[in-house]
Parts: sequence; structure tokens; C-alpha cells
Amino acid sequence: DTGVSQDPRHKITKRGQNVTFRCDPISEHNRLYWYRQTLGQGPEFLTYFQNEAQLEKSRLLSDRFSAERPKGSFSTLEIQRTEQGDSAMYLCASSLGTSVDEQFFGPGTRLTVL
Amino acid sequence: GESVGLHLPTLSVQEGDNSIINCAYSNSASDYFIWYKQESGKGPQFIIDIRSNMDKRQGQRVTVLLNKTVKHLSLQIAATQPGDSAVYFCAETPGYALNFGKGTSLLVTP
Repeated sequence: DTGVSQDPRHKITKRGQNVTFRCDPISEHNRLYWYRQTLGQGPEFLTYFQNEAQLEKSRLLSDRFSAERPKGSFSTLEIQRTEQGDSAMYLCASSLGTSVDEQFFGPGTRLTVL
Repeated sequence: GESVGLHLPTLSVQEGDNSIINCAYSNSASDYFIWYKQESGKGPQFIIDIRSNMDKRQGQRVTVLLNKTVKHLSLQIAATQPGDSAVYFCAETPGYALNFGKGTSLLVTP
């Protein structure tokens, strides 16, 4: 257990529905990251926060995806109008943020879109 | 485009033997490299990291070697144990977003 928690661990939804995932980072960590991982592949970067500011977004983050970190602590990732191609493991990571530093990953939320 | 990749998708070793997992990267701007271990149904777990100003770093039973000339990274696991069975990813970053390779599945047989 790295200290990063994610909820829910599993989510099954129908195509077209909206889903929201939550990530609670290690409490003293300033940086928070979202990644997506499909079967047999390595995680792919989606977006990153320094405190409450969203500083970087991947091209993978389409306009149906939105992430927030309103108080610089927990973060949410929402996917609107889900598509079958959104089925993946969504991973959250956090780091201290003093420099380019070690990222600690949560257990992930596995999304299945039917 | 720039990418991180692994030479071997699967590796099978006997318990007690040493394991070597290789990784090639192409982004010459990367200055931080990490090896992660991922067990089924879990998130990636940090193993060891190395910065570009080093060529070798040792941890407990693990050693990472970095060859910047040929852009090659390797992970050596000494006395491999059944608990080491997992998928191993190398990752690199020139900034904050980690760029992961596809992964090598390590299977440790008794």
C-alpha cells in the first residue's frame, strides 16, 4: 500500500453514461497525476496538478474528460458520455513535488464500458 | 516519435537465478529513469530510479544501469524469488509526465 487511494476500484457503466473517479494522494504530496492503462500496455499520462493548478494535459484527454483538484488535496476525474474505448484502468499517482521525483501510484480504478 | 520500449516482452527464470530486464529509450532530453513493478490488479510499484548524471545505482537485490551513449536502461534482480513475478516497466521523463514502455513479464519458476 503506497498511501494513494482510489475509489471506486471497479466501475461498470453503459455507453453514454457519465462516471467520476476519486483519488486521494499521500497527504504531503503537492503533485498529482492521472494515467490510463489498457491491457498489455504501460500507463499513459493524462494530466497533472501542482497543488490545485492543472499544469499539463495530454492529447489523450479529450473534451469528454475533465479533472479537478479543487483544494489541492483529492482529485476527481470525470468522463462524460462514456464510450467503449474508454474501458481501461485509470491510475492516480502523487509525488512530493520538490523536483522531478518519485511518483507513488494508487491501485487504480478499472472502468468497463458496456 | 520519441518512445520507450523493451527488448523482451517475456522472461522466464528459475528461482535463485539473476534476472536482467532491458529497456531502450529514445528521448535524449530525459533525465530521470524509473523501474516499476506491477502485479496483476495493482498499480505500479516503484523499484528503483536513476538520474542521468549516474550510470549505476544499487538497491536491495536490484541494480539499475544506465548507458546514455546507446540510450539503454537495464534492471538486474539478484537471486530472483517467486514474489518477483510481475510485469516490469521502465519509465522516463524529461519533466513531470512519465513515459512508460510496454512492459516485460517476469515469470519465476521453482
